[in-house]
Amino acid sequence: SAVISQKPSRDICQRGTSLTIQCQVDSQVTMMFWYRQQPGQSLTLIATANQGSEATYESGFVIDKFPISRPNLTFSTLTVSNMSPEDSSIYLCSAAGLAGGGDTGELFFGEGSRLTVL
Amino acid sequence: GDSVTQMEGPVTLSEEAFLTINCTYTATGYPSLFWYVQYPGEGLQLLLKATKADDKGSNKGFEATYRKETTSFHLEKGSVQVSDSAVYFCALTSNTGGFKTIFGAGTRLFVKA
Repeated sequence: SAVISQKPSRDICQRGTSLTIQCQVDSQVTMMFWYRQQPGQSLTLIATANQGSEATYESGFVIDKFPISRPNLTFSTLTVSNMSPEDSSIYLCSAAGLAGGGDTGELFFGEGSRLTVL
Repeated sequence: GDSVTQMEGPVTLSEEAFLTINCTYTATGYPSLFWYVQYPGEGLQLLLKATKADDKGSNKGFEATYRKETTSFHLEKGSVQVSDSAVYFCALTSNTGGFKTIFGAGTRLFVKA
């Protein structure tokens, strides 16, 4: 299995500012993803973080608002830019495809970063 | 596109009651199916999985069988405990057109002592 650490675990931010969330995996993984989970709701995929190239964004999410980096096989960042109260949510990092371990399609998750925008 | 539909909650049961949470899916190709659980204040974790038709996934007393003919993957447990109180997500992962996981809306379970 893989252990995923995210930070910050929570933050309170002012409108118009930006915040970067970091995600560290304790094993090399082929795939990393960023999800948003609004209170009481399901998970919505923001983007797939691609190593060494631009992230692949889902419909409704754009790079200018949610820039993503993935410099190597164990680390990724998500920035939430120019925040508004509508961005208040839990942001979850996940990973799949353990190197050398086969791919069963299982996702591993961090504990999430709870952002509140005032 | 692919989708997952699961029964709405919340579901409230007494301890030792039987649990069923229904889940159906639509997908092209042959997806793998999963149940994830989210305990209060925590991230999601895998509960069980099935990768092909007729497979049964099981863990911690929970079971689900991959039924291709009814496109279903219902979660069951014979006797729930208070510690099972959580939100349960049905999900499918497809490799058609790239690796992607689709989640159901989630079902919140409350178990009373």
